[in-house]
Amino acid sequence: QKEVEQDPGPLSVPEGAIVSLNCTYSNSAFQYFMWYRQYSRKGPELLMYTYSSGNKEDGRFTAQVDKSSKYISLFIRDSQPSDSATYLCAMSAVQAGTALIFGKGTTLSVSS
Amino acid sequence: DADVTQTPRNRITKTGKRIMLECSQTKGHDRMYWYRQDPGLGLRLIYYSFDVKDINKGEISDGYSVSRQAQAKFSLSLESAIPNQTALYFCATAPPGKNEQYFGPGTRLTVT
Repeated sequence: QKEVEQDPGPLSVPEGAIVSLNCTYSNSAFQYFMWYRQYSRKGPELLMYTYSSGNKEDGRFTAQVDKSSKYISLFIRDSQPSDSATYLCAMSAVQAGTALIFGKGTTLSVSS
Repeated sequence: DADVTQTPRNRITKTGKRIMLECSQTKGHDRMYWYRQDPGLGLRLIYYSFDVKDINKGEISDGYSVSRQAQAKFSLSLESAIPNQTALYFCATAPPGKNEQYFGPGTRLTVT
């Protein structure tokens, strides 16, 4: 079993839809969770950072962590064409640790 | 602006050639990383460095070497390039005591 699983998509939605992106993981030691957005031919850009379980909201984006189910989600409200990108989850067990463990990314397309 | 820059942005080279990819940052971060990204395989860690005197191998270091010339500079070398090293290469940095990594714009390398 891979440490982090992420459905690659592609996921296609109309403008204004609520989008749910998800990752599952196997290592119960993971405590730090991140979401990155990557536009085509660009570097990943940090979107959201959460520690342990719970929700975190930033504008149209909400990150949710359920450690009991080993499941994290990123919700995008009122999706826009500019949200079309690949979304990568990443996680770590240790503060300031060696490296992040990344999911392979989900490609999202928002049509106007 | 504080940033992570990579040079060159695109490079085509022949099998057997030595090539160096360079990364510079003005963020004042201590930790620096090199990743490669391949379709379907996601981001894979090549090397990382916690400070100038610290170099560590990542998941896929064979065929690569690195040099940390200064806190702000971290170079990746391919001693004898081969076609399966064709990929998108990213440099990333992380601040002291934090997990979040900040990525450069990437170098698209093609080995023919």
